[in-house]
Amino acid sequence: DAKTTQPPSMDCAEGRAANLPCNHSTISGNEYVYWYRQIHSQGPQYIIHGLKNNETNEMASLIITEDRKSSTLILPHATLRDTAVYYCIVRSPGGGADGLTFGKGTHLIIQP
Amino acid sequence: GAVVSQHPSWVICKSGTSVKIECRSLDFQATTMFWYRQFPKQSLMLMATSNEGSKATYEQGVEKDKFLINHASLTLSTLTVTSAHPEDSSFYICSAPRGRYNEQFFGPGTRLTVL
Repeated sequence: DAKTTQPPSMDCAEGRAANLPCNHSTISGNEYVYWYRQIHSQGPQYIIHGLKNNETNEMASLIITEDRKSSTLILPHATLRDTAVYYCIVRSPGGGADGLTFGKGTHLIIQP
Repeated sequence: GAVVSQHPSWVICKSGTSVKIECRSLDFQATTMFWYRQFPKQSLMLMATSNEGSKATYEQGVEKDKFLINHASLTLSTLTVTSAHPEDSSFYICSAPRGRYNEQFFGPGTRLTVL
């Protein structure tokens, strides 16, 4: 799986959009970008994934650059409950038989 | 709602005893499940891959005789920490892939404290 780089921490005001960047310059053609988050003392939660087109679901939007070397996860209206560690993981979806490799992620703190 | 459950959510045991943790996929079948361990202020580390009907595969450095994995059905995998010691105290989390893109769904985790 390609390596990813994320800032260790970020702050965001409640109600504002939280934009979390991820660099994955060595991503290969068949690898998708997945985002997960882990709220303190809970198991990680799947958020969204994408290949090259921008994606949106009820939780977030994912913007992937045209060269696919970086992406941004957007939480449009952050709430205090969005405080968590966010992990960007690059892998092939065919790797369902492979466990995930977690980096250190970004600790997002939503400020009231 | 939750699609993967774990039991128990927390357990305290004495050193030298064994502890079993269950991981269940609630509304889907999982031929493969994964077990992770997370120490305080650290990221999740993959321990092993649980395969239904066959032996588990362990990551380098994880003792297979200490962490026994049984995947007896398509919805249940168990992790048994044998002869637990204080250094085994950790947060243990399981996951199962689901969907066309194999999104991983995680259990809520089990906090093990060995006295």
